Amino acid sequence: AQKITQTQPGMFVQEKEAVTLDCTYDTSDQSYGLFWYKQPSSGEMIFLIYQGSYDEQNATEGRYSLNFQKARKSANLVISASQLGDSAMYFCASTRGTSYGKLTFGQGTILTVHP
Amino acid sequence: NAGVTQTPKFQVLKTGQSMTLQCAQDMNHEYMSWYRQDPGMGLRLIHYSVGAGITDQGEVPNGYNVSRSTTEDFPLRLLSAAPSQTSVYFCASSYGQGWSEQYFGPGTRLTVT
Repeated sequence: AQKITQTQPGMFVQEKEAVTLDCTYDTSDQSYGLFWYKQPSSGEMIFLIYQGSYDEQNATEGRYSLNFQKARKSANLVISASQLGDSAMYFCASTRGTSYGKLTFGQGTILTVHP
Repeated sequence: NAGVTQTPKFQVLKTGQSMTLQCAQDMNHEYMSWYRQDPGMGLRLIHYSVGAGITDQGEVPNGYNVSRSTTEDFPLRLLSAAPSQTSVYFCASSYGQGWSEQYFGPGTRLTVT
């Protein structure tokens, strides 16, 4: 079974600074996908970024980038130029192969952005 | 498009009662899933479906039933509610081919007393 570990229960960052949220995964599969989702206090799940296990380039989406280190089995989320609206819970998740309907989630990291 | 809709938003049940959480999507997605979110545990997969008539169990299926008679709808049935099923329930859908983000519904907050 896959396992996702997010070791930072809470993180704090100053507005306009960059922050890295850690995620490690445990899988024996060769093919898998890695996702990050944001959950603000309102409760909805917002997709941020995706990385496939065969993608050689790190994924980027605007201010979000995924630092993918396959040998270390890590998929850290980097948020550049933090904004107050980035304060939320962040979840790392993975899929096995092409079973994209089945996500395994980590426990989440609460990010607080200070003005 | 309405996206993924869930009803009800909130529900309180007594132990032993049954109910159905509704989920519908209007994006013609093949994959649909149900997750539950408990404090400090992230989301866990209950059941999922890869198309009409096809369902399978996820990580925590006990106490729940699903069926998928149409592409659009994927209801989750609680057979006999227990306090351990107090949680927030999310329905999600995605395209079946290639990678695709999962679109989540707004969630249903269920309390079982």
